[in-house]
Amino acid sequence: AQSVTQLGSHVSVSEGALVLLRCNYSSSVPPYLFWYVQYPNQGLQLLLKYTTGATLVKGINGFEAEFKKSETSFHLTKPSAHMSDAAEYFCAVSLNQAGTALIFGKGTTLSVSS
Amino acid sequence: SQTIHQWPATLVQPVGSPLSLECTVEGTSNPNLYWYRQAAGRGLQLLFYSVGIGQISSEVPQNLSASRPQDRQFILSSKKLLLSDSGFYLCAWTVSRELFFGEGSRLTVL
Repeated sequence: AQSVTQLGSHVSVSEGALVLLRCNYSSSVPPYLFWYVQYPNQGLQLLLKYTTGATLVKGINGFEAEFKKSETSFHLTKPSAHMSDAAEYFCAVSLNQAGTALIFGKGTTLSVSS
Repeated sequence: SQTIHQWPATLVQPVGSPLSLECTVEGTSNPNLYWYRQAAGRGLQLLFYSVGIGQISSEVPQNLSASRPQDRQFILSSKKLLLSDSGFYLCAWTVSRELFFGEGSRLTVL
């Protein structure tokens, strides 16, 4: 069965430090992978997605993620954290070719201190 | 451009009362529509999805139901709310597998 595991429910970094949010997936078909960000009391916003082609994907707000098939991973990174990056981040995998449902990880809350 | 709207944004209801959350999508036809629930510490749980009018798939058996009376309208309902129904409910629609979310509806059941 398809699943998504986000390692660490809470990550804390200092402003200017590297951000690394981990995501591992399990899928019986070639996956489509996504990262979403959620600010308090708001809906989710797409950060980036991997479908096919280049395995290093660049998204909004300076984030990027690399699809590594051998490691079944899709970790999210940003070289230098900003206070405004504090939010909850969700990794997701598309379940089927029709794209009728995504499976989400449980989320990682990112805190950024000055 | 496509937009999605949910209402109400916040709702406080007593146990045993009914519920109706509404979601509408503008700027697209025949979207796939979804209801997710986000409870504290439990991530996002897919509740229902719909690929067309009157077509509802339930992912988790529960106290809730969904209906799609029109192409761009998706309604989440309950006849009698439970305390465990409290949470943040998100409507979403897809194009090319990318989900677009509404603003969310926060439900507190007392």
